[in-house]
Amino acid sequence: QSVLTQPPSASGTPGQRVTVSCSGSTFNIGSNTVNWYQQLPGTAPKLLIYSTDLRPSGVPDRFSASKSGTSASLAISGLHSEDEADYYCSAWDNSLNGQVFGGGTKLTVL
Amino acid sequence: QITWKESGPTLVKPTETLTLTCTFSGFSLPTIGMGVGWIRQPPGKALECLGFFYWDDNKHYRTSLGSRVTITEDSSKNQVVLTMTNMDPVDTATYYCAHSIVYDSDWYGRTVSFDSWGQGTVVTVSS
Repeated sequence: QSVLTQPPSASGTPGQRVTVSCSGSTFNIGSNTVNWYQQLPGTAPKLLIYSTDLRPSGVPDRFSASKSGTSASLAISGLHSEDEADYYCSAWDNSLNGQVFGGGTKLTVL
Repeated sequence: QITWKESGPTLVKPTETLTLTCTFSGFSLPTIGMGVGWIRQPPGKALECLGFFYWDDNKHYRTSLGSRVTITEDSSKNQVVLTMTNMDPVDTATYYCAHSIVYDSDWYGRTVSFDSWGQGTVVTVSS
């Protein structure tokens, strides 16, 4: 059972906009920033968003994120087939005094 | 550019101790705001942060693992070592080391992001 809750799956067609949600608590998302990771099949995760809404160099601006209260969301616009991957949210948890991850959302591009 | 070389066993027996080493290049320890973490991923499951340390020698470990996990570093060799005792089949996972950036803001709280990952070591616990 992950501390951060994500839907197990999401899907969209090429060109569509999809969102992935991440629900937490006042101890984590409500108090700290959120990161998002993309994990392509058989590879290590890649940092997609850090500090809630910032993109590392090289990440397309099709990827955006935000948070409100104890929930966060990742949006992917202009969906590409290569966006098919697992997406994880993550945040520091003040109660557990550690970095926690969501259960992951498997994005399928139909 | 950060590069990683991970080394360690791919098979350990139950109750044995796992020792994984990550040798890195592209950054130095200690550097303010930086650290190294270990994250694992059981087959078909989510990521779990086992622990990490950062520039002021502060260390954080996953509380559910108790005292089983220890992370040490040798900045002269650019190496970080994960030691996990009393291995169990449920510890079967891919183990990743990752470069972390840590900073605290009075307004936004804490940010711990893993911006560069090793390729991962698949560790199976079985007799």
